[in-house]
Amino acid sequence: SQQGEEDPQALSIQEGENATMNCSYKTSINNLQWYRQNSGRGLVHLILIRSNEREKHSGRLRVTLDTSKKSSSLLITASRAADTASYFCATVKDSNYQLIWGAGTKLIIKP
Amino acid sequence: DGGITQSPKYLFRKEGQNVTLSCEQNLNHDAMYWYRQDPGQGLRLIYYSQIVNDFQKGDIAEGYSVSREKKESFPLTVTSAQKNPTAFYLCASSPAQGNTGELFFGEGSRLTVL
Repeated sequence: SQQGEEDPQALSIQEGENATMNCSYKTSINNLQWYRQNSGRGLVHLILIRSNEREKHSGRLRVTLDTSKKSSSLLITASRAADTASYFCATVKDSNYQLIWGAGTKLIIKP
Repeated sequence: DGGITQSPKYLFRKEGQNVTLSCEQNLNHDAMYWYRQDPGQGLRLIYYSQIVNDFQKGDIAEGYSVSREKKESFPLTVTSAQKNPTAFYLCASSPAQGNTGELFFGEGSRLTVL
């Protein structure tokens, strides 16, 4: 069953701009993860944020988590053409280690 | 280099045929997973295995079968009972049972039914 829902479904911006994607979920979680998928390829893990964390950084990535609103956001700063990909959030429930996936945001960076 | 290898990358099947997708990992991970991805949708779990000789059904196991005879290998068979098998199949692994950390993915296998 799907829990995470990404918003927007698609996003097209100019190179150099910031890109923000959102993820909402329905149940309590242990952690939330963001993955990236280039077209026709496997997924690559980007960042994991635990339920007791509010913000996390990794290079040009910034992830926030608001457990009261059951939502997370992924910010990519100073976007590059190579950031063009689909981005997925996945949640891990408290009592179940299985990941539950959203449908993804397709990000296009225009050079 | 450590990683997960899926083969074949592309596979065509006639209706009524069984096909087997290979997934091999040299990361020494205990847990392995099979996901199905359809256009515009998230990943759906087919089967997972937390340890050798044990596996569990995921959300969409009907029409699929797996085995886990070796730690490194987790092949998926798409049987003729699967009514809509055309999809992108992803294999993944994670380090330990009950792990809540990241998954490591293969490059996927695209199955098309002719």
